Amino acid sequence: GAVVSQHPSWVICKSGTSVKIECRSLDFQATTMFWYRQFPKQSLMLMATSNEGSKATYEQGVEKDKFLINHASLTLSTLTVTSAHPEDSSFYICSGKTSSYEQYFGPGTRLTVT
Amino acid sequence: GNSVTQMEGPVTLSEEAFLTINCTYTATGYPSLFWYVQYPGEGLQLLLKATKADDKGSNKGFEATYRKETTSFHLEKGSVQVSDSAVYFCALFTQGGSEKLVFGKGTKLTVNP
Repeated sequence: GAVVSQHPSWVICKSGTSVKIECRSLDFQATTMFWYRQFPKQSLMLMATSNEGSKATYEQGVEKDKFLINHASLTLSTLTVTSAHPEDSSFYICSGKTSSYEQYFGPGTRLTVT
Repeated sequence: GNSVTQMEGPVTLSEEAFLTINCTYTATGYPSLFWYVQYPGEGLQLLLKATKADDKGSNKGFEATYRKETTSFHLEKGSVQVSDSAVYFCALFTQGGSEKLVFGKGTKLTVNP
């Protein structure tokens, strides 16, 4: 299957700082990428849909000014958590959608805000 | 709207036991159905899929059949292994609508030796 990578896999940052997470589709072009958040022992919560070259579409309740998403190319999307706070600590997972509508997920990034 | 309901876990089995994880769905149109697996500390991996009624998806000994009449996509495996311990998510996708995956809440499986 197609491969999606995320970097970093784990990051610790101080409250008030910003953190950028990269999501790359390694062997396919993803015109659409998705960003999810997963709380411990819970399902994935879709945060936003990112289309290459256009603004991301955020789900209801997700602050677009706090979670900045950029999809600059067909293989790269980034999520920046601005002015992070401890409540932003979570597991963030991205996925890329292929032309056949299948989604392939990255390994996730664990963010801890101290 | 579209939704997926999975049996609540956790499920604990002994090695070589038979596994069934129930999944039912509600959807407008004709969804594609998926099972994803998440191993501890990792992202999701596509386990199997079915795109139309009566299709059977299979992979690594796991199977699921798309049952339109019962709107179900139950996951089964005849003999589980310790390495199957993970969280399993049922999901659906419909084209032409929001085109987003809709996930069930996940079922945690623990297989003991």
